[in-house]
Amino acid sequence: DAKTTQPTSMDCAEGRAANLPCNHSTISGNEYVYWYRQIHSQGPQYIIHGLKNNETNEMASLIITEDRKSSTLILPHATLRDTAVYYCIVRVANAGGTSYGKLTFGQGTILTVHP
Amino acid sequence: DGGITQSPKYLFRKEGQNVTLSCEQNLNHDAMYWYRQDPGQGLRLIYYSQIVNDFQKGDIAEGYSVSREKKESFPLTVTSAQKNPTAFYLCASQYRSSRVNTEAFFGQGTRLTVV
Repeated sequence: DAKTTQPTSMDCAEGRAANLPCNHSTISGNEYVYWYRQIHSQGPQYIIHGLKNNETNEMASLIITEDRKSSTLILPHATLRDTAVYYCIVRVANAGGTSYGKLTFGQGTILTVHP
Repeated sequence: DGGITQSPKYLFRKEGQNVTLSCEQNLNHDAMYWYRQDPGQGLRLIYYSQIVNDFQKGDIAEGYSVSREKKESFPLTVTSAQKNPTAFYLCASQYRSSRVNTEAFFGQGTRLTVV
């Protein structure tokens, strides 16, 4: 799986948008970008994933650059409960069966949302 | 409710004793994973299993063993050969599909302390 690079920490004011960047310059054509977050002492929670198109769900938006070498997770209106470690992961897609699955986590970005 | 359950939440053992961590899921997921997390670190993969009666070593398998006799269960044994067993252990499961790229669901973790 391709390696990712994220800033160690970021701050965001409550109610503002939080934009979390991720570099994955060695991503392959069949690798997806996934985002998870982990609140202290809990299991990671899935947020969103995408291949090359921008994606949006009820939690966040994912913007992937045209060359797919970087992406940005956007939390449109951050709340105090969004304070967590955010992990950006790239991994091989499921299609085709056996080569899927292994999630390799890096250090992630510690996002602190303050009042 | 469907989910993935790890037990116990906290576990204390004496040095030199083997200990088994439980992970059960009722999501009908094919794949299951065990990760270890140390303070301030990301998750590291210990073992994973894509189907019943089959499993593969992850990045840090030494000192650990697993079994996958049932689809729902993937217990992890921390043996006395593991030099630094004190850590936060996370189990995850994932639906396997050749058509859809799916996300992994995580349990709430077991915090193992060896004294």
